[in-house]
Amino acid sequence: AAGVIQSPRHLIKEKRETATLKCYPIPRHDTVYWYQQGPGQDPQFLISFYEKMQSDKGSIPDRFSAQQFSDYHSELNMSSLELGDSALYFCASSITSGPRSYEQYFGPGTRLTVT
Amino acid sequence: RKEVEQDPGPFNVPEGATVAFNCTYSNSASQSFFWYRQDCRKEPKLLMSVYSSGNEDGRFTAQLNRASQYISLLIRDSKLSDSATYLCVVNEDTGRRALTFGSGTRLQVQP
Repeated sequence: AAGVIQSPRHLIKEKRETATLKCYPIPRHDTVYWYQQGPGQDPQFLISFYEKMQSDKGSIPDRFSAQQFSDYHSELNMSSLELGDSALYFCASSITSGPRSYEQYFGPGTRLTVT
Repeated sequence: RKEVEQDPGPFNVPEGATVAFNCTYSNSASQSFFWYRQDCRKEPKLLMSVYSSGNEDGRFTAQLNRASQYISLLIRDSKLSDSATYLCVVNEDTGRRALTFGSGTRLQVQP
């Protein structure tokens, strides 16, 4: 079965640079979520989109922005990168209808290292 | 206090053992409950949703006690491949679909 696709898988950036992470949800899933997992920490919710509209916002810094496009893929844009932004960034997707509507399926993640 | 609390472990058990993990959540309005497993540096993988009636999937059984705000996962006949971190996960509000993760319980199954 098709899974969530994320690119790139690894990214190395310097402080104050920008980064763009991409996520392609499971086909027919209409909701996309972004999570950040720092070293030794549990995943923290950043932001979500339903039908291309922002549906919820978590602990996303103002330096970050995200959007969902007409083909349902999503991009997380990160500017003025800081050392503390080094983390695994996961995208997850879900479908809003049916018995599995709250189940989120995660992509393999993008490992961002800021030097 | 974390919204979802788990014993971090590690739980070291021999192959074939039965092991149980527990989790408590603080928000009584929480609506959906899950167990995910996460291998080192990999993505969380949905193991099972947890329903009030309890549910079973092969060697795995999950239980939910809403009155006590308590979730459990039982693994029977442990395999080496079960070694991972098990994350208790809660969706706190039907209007907000973000997941709240516990810090995970590490399981090491030994030969």
